[in-house]
Amino acid sequence: NAGVTQTPKFRILKIGQSMTLQCAQDMNHNYMYWYRQDPGMGLKLIYYSVGAGITDKGEVPNGYNVSRSTTEDFPLRLELAAPSQTSVYFCASSYSTGGAGYTFGSGTRLTVV
Amino acid sequence: AQKITQTQPGMFVQEKEAVTLDCTYDTSDPSYGLFWYKQPSSGEMIFLIYQGSYDQQNATEGRYSLNFQKARKSANLVISASQLGDSAMYFCAMSRNGGGSEKLVFGKGTKLTVNP
Repeated sequence: NAGVTQTPKFRILKIGQSMTLQCAQDMNHNYMYWYRQDPGMGLKLIYYSVGAGITDKGEVPNGYNVSRSTTEDFPLRLELAAPSQTSVYFCASSYSTGGAGYTFGSGTRLTVV
Repeated sequence: AQKITQTQPGMFVQEKEAVTLDCTYDTSDPSYGLFWYKQPSSGEMIFLIYQGSYDQQNATEGRYSLNFQKARKSANLVISASQLGDSAMYFCAMSRNGGGSEKLVFGKGTKLTVNP
């Protein structure tokens, strides 16, 4: 049981480049989320999805886009990368409210230079 | 707006002793959840314990317990019998429940160091 799988684990981008961070879960969770963690800080919600075809903004959505065409996949798109997007990105999924059902991926460390 | 405050940037504890990590929260929602996560130096987020706002008893999971004081809006994590492997960042988080999804708001974390 893989849980939440994120790729790539590390990436260096140049300013202005674009990329897609991949996230896939095999637990049939309806709810999926993207967070970013800046150095020395807690995680902040970028976007989330309550099911295929439904997405909504979180606390820090600017500079990002998402799509949810299937239950399993929730990619995060960065357009025109900026140094301020240097961060660790975590994807998560959940099936209900309350605790252990909330599963995080191992993270993608992104550096924009 | 929801807010989580962790006032201890760093904590030190001797191996085998207990330690309390502080967390206070602010919300106007009647229904919410409180989480604690451990983040070791390898970077993954490890779920430790959860407390629902309507739960009558404090949550416990092995060596972890959550001291939930609703009137004071605090949700402190107590780790008993600390181990060297407990050295890590610890994050308190709050969820806003809506439509089944849980959007988490995190504190800035506390770095725990367990000394031998």
